[in-house]
This record gives sequence, structure tokens and C-alpha cells, in this order.
Amino acid sequence: RKEVEQDPGPFNVPEGATVAFNCTYSNSASQSFFWYRQDCRKEPKLLMSVYSSGNEDGRFTAQLNRASQYISLLIRDSKLSDSATYLCVVNPLNTGFQKLVFGTGTRLLVSP
Amino acid sequence: DADVTQTPRNRITKTGKRIMLECSQTKGHDRMYWYRQDPGLGLRLIYYSFDVKDINKGEISDGYSVSRQAQAKFSLSLESAIPNQTALYFCATSDPQSGYYEQYFGPGTRLTVT
Repeated sequence: RKEVEQDPGPFNVPEGATVAFNCTYSNSASQSFFWYRQDCRKEPKLLMSVYSSGNEDGRFTAQLNRASQYISLLIRDSKLSDSATYLCVVNPLNTGFQKLVFGTGTRLLVSP
Repeated sequence: DADVTQTPRNRITKTGKRIMLECSQTKGHDRMYWYRQDPGLGLRLIYYSFDVKDINKGEISDGYSVSRQAQAKFSLSLESAIPNQTALYFCATSDPQSGYYEQYFGPGTRLTVT
């Protein structure tokens, strides 16, 4: 089983739609969780960290479900500029070593 | 100016050639990383360095070596390139003091081995 699994998509949605991605992780001891965004042929960039209580940043909401070992990303009112690949990222152990395990990404295409 | 830079941005080389990819950063971070990205496999860690004297192998270090010349510079070498090393290579940095485990990536080097 992969440490981090994501649906590769693509998710095709119209502008203004709400879309949600899930990601599952295998290591129950994982402590830190993130969503990164990667545009085509560009470097990944941190979109948001995921906290136990859930967190929101504008149109983006991230949730963590430790019991089921998944995290989610909800995007409301999708924009054309949201088209990208979204990488689920997990720090397996809170050892101080900032090892990050990256999912393969979920591709989002927002159309006019 | 970009905080993390990589050179070259694109490189085509032949099997058996030695090649070096360079990474420089102005963020002042101690920790630096090299990843490769392949379609369907995600980012995989090749080597990481916590400071100039501390270099560690990642999950796929075979066929690669690194050099940390200074806090700001971390180079990746392919001693004898082979076609399955064709990939997109990223350098990244992080600050252990930040508490967020955020890594900052360079723009990547697209390497093709023919």
C-alpha cells in the first residue's frame, strides 16, 4: 500500500463549482499534513497546512480525519486559475526530520 | 529574484555521461533536498542535507551523489547517466525553525538521457 494515495483525476468542473479531493495515508502515526499545488511543469508550492481542527483559507478548506486516515481539500467557487495538480503531502513522523511524502497528485481542470 | 535557483533548467545528455545539477538558495535555510518527479510516481527523495557536514541518502540514491559546497549550494551528480534517470529534478529547502515543515522548491531541471 502506498504511503499516500490520491485519485489522479482529472476532475473537470465548470467555473463557480465546488470540488473536493480526498487523500488517504497509511501511517497512523503521521503528524503533519499539507496540500501543495503544482502547475504544469512548475515547482510545487505550499497551498495550506492541514490542522486537526480543520482550517480554511478563503475559498479553500482542508480537513483531517485521523480515525479514517484521510485528509480532504474543498475548493469553493472554482476559478480558471485553480486548474492545477494538487499534491497531498504527509510528514510520517514528527521526529524533527522534515521528511515529506508526496502523493502523485489530483489534477483539476476548471472550464469556462 | 527567485529564492531557490537551479541550473541548468533543461539538459539533454547521452548514456554514460557525467552530469551535475546545481542548486543555490538565498533563503538562509540549513536544510536542502533533491527530489525527482516522474509521471505517476510523484516526488521521490534522492538526498537531503541538514547542514554542510550532514548529508543523507533518501529513498532512491543509487546512481546519484551530492555535494554541499556551502550552506547555500547543493549539487546533484549523475556519475554515469542512464535513460531511466530521465525525469524532472527539484531542489528544495526548509527551515527547521519554522515549525511548518514547509519546503520551498526551485523551478526544476528537466533532464533527458538518450
